[in-house]
Amino acid sequence: GDSVTQMEGPVTLSEEAFLTINCTYTATGYPSLFWYVQYPGEGLQLLLKATKADDKGSNKGFEATYRKETTSFHLEKGSVQVSDAAVYFCALSDGFYGGATNKLIFGTGTLLAVQP
Amino acid sequence: SQTIHQWPATLVQPVGSPLSLECTVEGTSNPNLYWYRQAAGRGLQLLFYSVGIGQISSEVPQNLSASRPQDRQFILSSKKLLLSDSGFYLCAWGDRDLYGYTFGSGTRLTVV
Repeated sequence: GDSVTQMEGPVTLSEEAFLTINCTYTATGYPSLFWYVQYPGEGLQLLLKATKADDKGSNKGFEATYRKETTSFHLEKGSVQVSDAAVYFCALSDGFYGGATNKLIFGTGTLLAVQP
Repeated sequence: SQTIHQWPATLVQPVGSPLSLECTVEGTSNPNLYWYRQAAGRGLQLLFYSVGIGQISSEVPQNLSASRPQDRQFILSSKKLLLSDSGFYLCAWGDRDLYGYTFGSGTRLTVV
């Protein structure tokens, strides 16, 4: 079945450092890809998404590009802030129509710690 | 605008007691609805999803059940809680038009 693999955490960076969190996926079709963020004690918030190959999702300085050839959707940010400390989840969905499973499948999450 | 409500926010229950968590969605009709569980320090596990009233798909055989008595209401239940049922439970709805998923604020369940 479809699956998502994320880099193991925790990732610890100094403030203003460059961030990369790797995400690769396995899917039989052409899924949409998502990054969600979970701040301590809270639910999940959508950070960005991409629905087709070569799309770039971006939000709050974060960005990720849907790479079909490498089945990847790596999250990047040029300069992290202390307020970015959270758990980041990569996810995929094969959609809602045409026999799709209607499911959103998550990676295991990557904890990001940022030191001032 | 669409909103999703989930309650209670926190719950402490003894082993063997029943459970009922409720999730409702406003501002949309016939949404896809989902229950996820996040155990401490772990990722998100899909427990149940529903594409319509009375239609429930179970992902993991376990001590829990789900029901959808109304179009925008999704309930997670257990007859007898186990210690292993502790975790953070999240409800979500899938928006077919915007092609996105929105999550509720979660219920932190501790079984003692």
